[in-house]
Amino acid sequence: DAGVTQSPTHLIKTRGQQVTLRCSPISGHKSVSWYQQVLGQGPQFIFQYYEKEERGRGNFPDRFSARQFPNYSSELNVNALLLGDSALYLCASSFEWTAHNEQFFGPGTRLTVL
Amino acid sequence: DQQVKQNSPSLSVQEGRISILNCDYTNSMFDYFLWYKKYPAEGPTFLISISSIKDKNEDGRFTVFLNKSAKHLSLHIVPSQPGDSAVYFCAASDNQAGTALIFGKGTTLSVSS
Repeated sequence: DAGVTQSPTHLIKTRGQQVTLRCSPISGHKSVSWYQQVLGQGPQFIFQYYEKEERGRGNFPDRFSARQFPNYSSELNVNALLLGDSALYLCASSFEWTAHNEQFFGPGTRLTVL
Repeated sequence: DQQVKQNSPSLSVQEGRISILNCDYTNSMFDYFLWYKKYPAEGPTFLISISSIKDKNEDGRFTVFLNKSAKHLSLHIVPSQPGDSAVYFCAASDNQAGTALIFGKGTTLSVSS
């Protein structure tokens, strides 16, 4: 079975632009979470979705938004990009909504904002 | 304010010896703790977890200890192998918060042969 896949692998944008990152969970997994990992830091929680509904949101501005589709894939959108948005964006999927369900992470999308 | 702290950025150990990675937390609502391992250019990989109702969990060479009164947990790797060289993240969760994990900054483990 394929693991969590994310696209694109790398992305370069300029300040003020908008970006869309994509995630396909493991087959059968209904929950997707997004994390931002800035260099030298641990992953920071952005969003979690379960059965196409937002179930949680981290401390991120409204420029960040996400959605989950009927096939459980997900998109993360970031508007009005800032230099500080440069990071590795990780997607994780799990079968259920609780943290006691093992989360499987994708390889991430490396976003560079110039 | 960091709720999960890994105060040692790096740790170097010889092959065959024990590696001990430490983690402290401040939020008493956390009830589930996890360790993840991360290699460059890969996403974090789940290693081992422990519920707050336990004080020890073992899986092969990996053991996690939880001291709730001290709000401290540690990961022991015995014996350490060169393939264990990676960044190790401690993470915690409040069961009310679903799948949201709060991560520490990570500890880079280097195991030399």
